[in-house]
Amino acid sequence: KQEVTQIPAALSVPEGENLVLNCSFTDSAIYNLQWFRQDPGKGLTSLLLIQSSQREQTSGRLNASLDKSSGRSTLYIAASQPGDSATYLCAVSNVQGAQKLVFGQGTRLTINP
Amino acid sequence: ETGVTQTPRHLVMGMTNKKSLKCEQHLGHNAMYWYKQSAKKPLELMFVYNFKEQTENNSVPSRFSPECPNSSHLFLHLHTLQPEDSALYLCASSAEPSGLAGGTGELFFGEGSRLTVL
Repeated sequence: KQEVTQIPAALSVPEGENLVLNCSFTDSAIYNLQWFRQDPGKGLTSLLLIQSSQREQTSGRLNASLDKSSGRSTLYIAASQPGDSATYLCAVSNVQGAQKLVFGQGTRLTINP
Repeated sequence: ETGVTQTPRHLVMGMTNKKSLKCEQHLGHNAMYWYKQSAKKPLELMFVYNFKEQTENNSVPSRFSPECPNSSHLFLHLHTLQPEDSALYLCASSAEPSGLAGGTGELFFGEGSRLTVL
């Protein structure tokens, strides 16, 4: 059974710092991995999708990497801003087709002005 | 209107009530999902519909009844719920690789329906 772990559970950094959020999964036979952002009381916003054949994806100040063999992904946020404060969720799918994502519990990120 | 829209955004119901949650996607996707988000627990997949056919029921109690009349609409009918069913219910959609559009499988979520069962 796939399990996804995100460390740390919470992170607080000053504005302007670069930071890394970690995600690990137990079954390396994944189809894809997705990073989401969730603001309090809101739905999830897709940030980046990495297919199993890819090593990384970039969008603006965000860069996500994938190392399937070690069961790890990282989300790198450059030059953090207070607006980046949110909970970041990692999810993996082990099957092609309608996605049965397994989610981690998230990292609650606070960027201090 | 674009994206995934969920109504109502907030719902309070008694244990004997019957209510429904509605989800509509305007993205041309072929797969739709219900997820449950409870406090201090990871998101849990409840149901998956692919081309209007239910392909996954993740051992969800029968007091939750999904309905997918077409690929753009998804409902979750609620009946005789328990207080522990109080949670944020999230709908999502995706374009699957098996579809005509040859999608990526990326999931797009709605804002959620916050359910409180008294």
